[in-house]
Amino acid sequence: QKEVEQNSGPLSVPEGAIASLNCTYSDRVSQSFFWYRQYSGKSPELIMSIYSNGDKEDGRFTAQLNKASQYVSLLIRDSQPSDSATYLCAVKAVSNYQLIWGAGTKLIIKP
Amino acid sequence: SAVISQKPSRDICQRGTSLTIQCQVDSQVTMMFWYRQQPGQSLTLIATANQGSEATYESGFVIDKFPISRPNLTFSTLTVSNMSPEDSSIYLCSVEDRGYEQYFGPGTRLTVT
Repeated sequence: QKEVEQNSGPLSVPEGAIASLNCTYSDRVSQSFFWYRQYSGKSPELIMSIYSNGDKEDGRFTAQLNKASQYVSLLIRDSQPSDSATYLCAVKAVSNYQLIWGAGTKLIIKP
Repeated sequence: SAVISQKPSRDICQRGTSLTIQCQVDSQVTMMFWYRQQPGQSLTLIATANQGSEATYESGFVIDKFPISRPNLTFSTLTVSNMSPEDSSIYLCSVEDRGYEQYFGPGTRLTVT
């Protein structure tokens, strides 16, 4: 059974600090990794995709991938109250190209 | 990225009835997906719908309960049949764009009474 694990939180971070969200996955051959943001009552919104080891930066967001450790993370710099949401980690299965979803981490940015 | 719309956005239905949810994309896409999301839960894949072939259902979901149509590369429907209160959920369609990334429609919030 392929799995994606996330700490459900809530993770509380002061405004202006760095929020660090973590995700581990079980399928060693996975190649594609995604972070989605979901506001309450809304559908998931893709914010980052990463395919190679290392860091990928997009504005205040940095995704980090370590395939050897089967670990992917999302850093949010200069956290804002508008970043308060649930962040979902998804890994694409090599066998059938479907996304395997983590349970999501609820992030709360405190003003 | 593709722009996806869903209809209806929400509905309240009586048990034993059926509801058809529509998903429209502004560009041609090969793969479309239907998900269900219970309150406070992550996403559960119901089925994958590719144009020109039968939908592929995940474990726990059957065609008689969730028939899917995919008549062309921009449109799909999901029907929730013979509804019970346990079917109350948010139903989401998504598409795979550029071969790698999935984008979601706004969702349909279904309440069965």
